[in-house]
Amino acid sequence: DQQVKQNSPSLSVQEGRISILNCDYTNSMFDYFLWYKKYPAEGPTFLISISSIKDKNEDGRFTVFLNKSAKHLSLHIVPSQPGDSAVYFCAASEMNRDDKIIFGKGTRLHILP
Amino acid sequence: EAQVTQNPRYLITVTGKKLTVTCSQNMNHEYMSWYRQDPGLGLRQIYYSMNVEVTDKGDVPEGYKVSRKEKRNFPLILESPSPNQTSLYFCASSWGLTPYEQYFGPGTRLTVT
Repeated sequence: DQQVKQNSPSLSVQEGRISILNCDYTNSMFDYFLWYKKYPAEGPTFLISISSIKDKNEDGRFTVFLNKSAKHLSLHIVPSQPGDSAVYFCAASEMNRDDKIIFGKGTRLHILP
Repeated sequence: EAQVTQNPRYLITVTGKKLTVTCSQNMNHEYMSWYRQDPGLGLRQIYYSMNVEVTDKGDVPEGYKVSRKEKRNFPLILESPSPNQTSLYFCASSWGLTPYEQYFGPGTRLTVT
């Protein structure tokens, strides 16, 4: 039972364009969502988060959008840069219930020159 | 430098031989957690701890033990490792009692033959 789904295993985007990574979830009780970035041979690095009381959070080139009715969130990277090539994990938690965190399987982003 | 350290980074062992992977953080974080990363499965939470002497099961706790006797340390114990525990393991920590933005260690690659 996959509660957090990243249906695109990989995505290729031209440098300078917008990268959009998608994430769907099934548990309507999730109330906190996070995105992590992972380079090979390193641990994941926190990128950006959003609480369920918001529908958008922005940090520099990174924006996360949350659509609670569709149980969908997306990460926008504008403009995409070569250093953005990495695996991106979406994660969700039900903060009011427990402190477990559920990760998606990840999407590998390739930024093309 | 704020960091999460794990030891060893690489380990090859045989079935049934008890092992411990250490994890230490120098940020005075309350929340600590262990994950395993497997191809096609993403990151899965094994155990987490919200404070000293407080631990709880994540999604895949079978075959693992943890302890939290000191705030900075959160070792992962495999009492009788089996080949299906061959994986890449990450320790992480975060401020507060919830898995908000976590800092991850560099990973421990374990092979059980």
